[in-house]
Amino acid sequence: AQRVTQPEKLLSVFKGAPVELKCNYSYSGSPELFWYVQYSRQRLQLLLRHISRESIKGFTADLNKGETSFHLKKPFAQEEDSAMYYCALSHSGYSTLTFGKGTMLLVSP
Amino acid sequence: DVKVTQSSRYLVKRTGEKVFLECVQDMDHENMFWYRQDPGLGLRLIYFSYDVKMKEKGDIPEGYSVSREKKERFSLILESASTNQTSMYLCASREAGDTQYFGPGTRLTVL
Repeated sequence: AQRVTQPEKLLSVFKGAPVELKCNYSYSGSPELFWYVQYSRQRLQLLLRHISRESIKGFTADLNKGETSFHLKKPFAQEEDSAMYYCALSHSGYSTLTFGKGTMLLVSP
Repeated sequence: DVKVTQSSRYLVKRTGEKVFLECVQDMDHENMFWYRQDPGLGLRLIYFSYDVKMKEKGDIPEGYSVSREKKERFSLILESASTNQTSMYLCASREAGDTQYFGPGTRLTVL
């Protein structure tokens, strides 16, 4: 069975500090990995997906198949990055997603 | 721009009531999903549908049913609401190969 683990419930950093939100997955096949973000009082939305290999709002994430990880990184956190972040996995070719439990990022001034 | 709408933002019901949550998407997506979102538990898939009149159980289908009579509409039904079904309910739709698009959510309280 596929599983997504986000070990931190809460990550608190100061503005300008580097941020890394951890995500580990277990799946024997070829996964698609995503990061979703939910800002306060807004709907859940896609932040980035590994196949696009792009940077969104300064965030990047690299799929490491050897370590089965897909950590989300940003070199300099901003206050507006404060949100709930979810890592998600989809088996290529299937439409369903398996979500992690989420990490709340708080960026203080 | 994809639009997924849910019939209510907030809903308060009593134990034992039958509850209908409606979701509509305007992008002709084949796949639609219902999740519940709880603090510390993340998003858990209740049911999904890959076509009209088709449905598949997700991870936590007990106590719920769904209906998809039209492609754009996917309904979640709580046959007899219980207090442990108090939660935020999220609907999503997706086209194959694309991302999932989420609705704003319905916060359901069962008293």
